[in-house]
Amino acid sequence: AAGVIQSPRHLIKEKRETATLKCYPIPRHDTVYWYQQGPGQDPQFLISFYEKMQSDKGSIPDRFSAQQFSDYHSELNMSSLELGDSALYFCASSGRPENEKLFFGSGTQLSVL
Amino acid sequence: GQQVMQIPQYQHVQEGEDFTTYCNSSTTLSNIQWYKQRPGGHPVFLIQLVKSGEVKKQKRLTFQFGEAKKNSSLHITATQTTDVGTYFCAGPPDSNYQLIWGAGTKLIIKP
Repeated sequence: AAGVIQSPRHLIKEKRETATLKCYPIPRHDTVYWYQQGPGQDPQFLISFYEKMQSDKGSIPDRFSAQQFSDYHSELNMSSLELGDSALYFCASSGRPENEKLFFGSGTQLSVL
Repeated sequence: GQQVMQIPQYQHVQEGEDFTTYCNSSTTLSNIQWYKQRPGGHPVFLIQLVKSGEVKKQKRLTFQFGEAKKNSSLHITATQTTDVGTYFCAGPPDSNYQLIWGAGTKLIIKP
């Protein structure tokens, strides 16, 4: 069965650079979520989209933005990167907006040097 | 703010011993979900409980949702090495859709 696809798997950037993470949800899933997970921590919700519109916003810094496109894939854009942005970034998708079970991608490991 | 407390943070067990993790929410949840994250992996959905007092079993795993829909537990009987990982509970408060996550309980099997 198709899963949530994230790219890239690993990304190394320097401070003040920008990064773009991509997420392709499971086919027919209309809701996408972005999470940030630091080492030994629980996933922190950043932002979500339902039917290409932002549906909820969590602890996403102003330096970050995201969108969901007409084909339902989503991109997380991160600018002016800081050392503290180093983390594992997960995308998840679900078939309904009411937070039915989430299917997570394998994540993008971002390292900011 | 709304939060879900999950304990313990770590649990070391001998293979074959039981394991339990508990979640307690500051607010009523419309449902509770449990996820397992293996080391180096991503969270994987295990189960969702919706009804007050609900109990569900998956082989050696037993999940409970409290009567007040504010607490939940996961119990693993006779742990195996394949059970190693971090178990998270998460649930949306009645008031909105966004999941609130527990901090996770890491299950470690002693060698």
